[in-house]
Amino acid sequence: DVKVTQSSRYLVKRTGEKVFLECVQDMDHENMFWYRQDPGLGLRLIYFSYDVKMKEKGDIPEGYSVSREKKERFSLILESASTNQTSMYLCASLTQGGFSYEQYFGPGTRLTVT
Amino acid sequence: AQSVTQPDIHITVSEGASLELRCNYSYGATPYLFWYVQSPGQGLQLLLKYFSGDTLVQGIKGFEAEFKRSQSSFNLRKPSVHWSDAAEYFCAVGARGGSQGNLIFGKGTKLSVKP
Repeated sequence: DVKVTQSSRYLVKRTGEKVFLECVQDMDHENMFWYRQDPGLGLRLIYFSYDVKMKEKGDIPEGYSVSREKKERFSLILESASTNQTSMYLCASLTQGGFSYEQYFGPGTRLTVT
Repeated sequence: AQSVTQPDIHITVSEGASLELRCNYSYGATPYLFWYVQSPGQGLQLLLKYFSGDTLVQGIKGFEAEFKRSQSSFNLRKPSVHWSDAAEYFCAVGARGGSQGNLIFGKGTKLSVKP
């Protein structure tokens, strides 16, 4: 089974802190995604990556950056956390091979910024 | 632009009753279509997907969905709901031909199950 893990299930940070959210997948997938999930807004794409060191902005990249130094790891960085970044963050991965197009999700990180 | 609409924010059904969750999409051609389920505090799990062929798709946990091109819909159904089905359900669409696999998600429908 594909496994996508996220470094923390719950995280509490202070305003202005630099925050790192880590995501690791074990299936050699090329594509990885970071979403933010808020009640009533569904999932919104922050950034995605289709190869090592490659990244593309999603719908809401402001206030975030990403890093992909290794194929299996995709990090989301909040350069200076703010209270409006309190949310659930979901990571997903996908293989480009075949026609699956199924995104596999991690369990999520619930981030609270105080 | 692609979009997904789930008209029902919250639905409550009795255990054993049938269920239909609605999903409408906007896309220039036939997209890839997905239904995901999210249990409280968890990530998303794929229930079923439609790429081509038979428009009635069977998924896990006894769910099925029917693609209706004329109505731009992909509604999720289950004949008899179990208490463990209480969760949030997301419909998603993806573009054919792209290699990046990006999906557009609806805002979700929360399902509550009455005993």
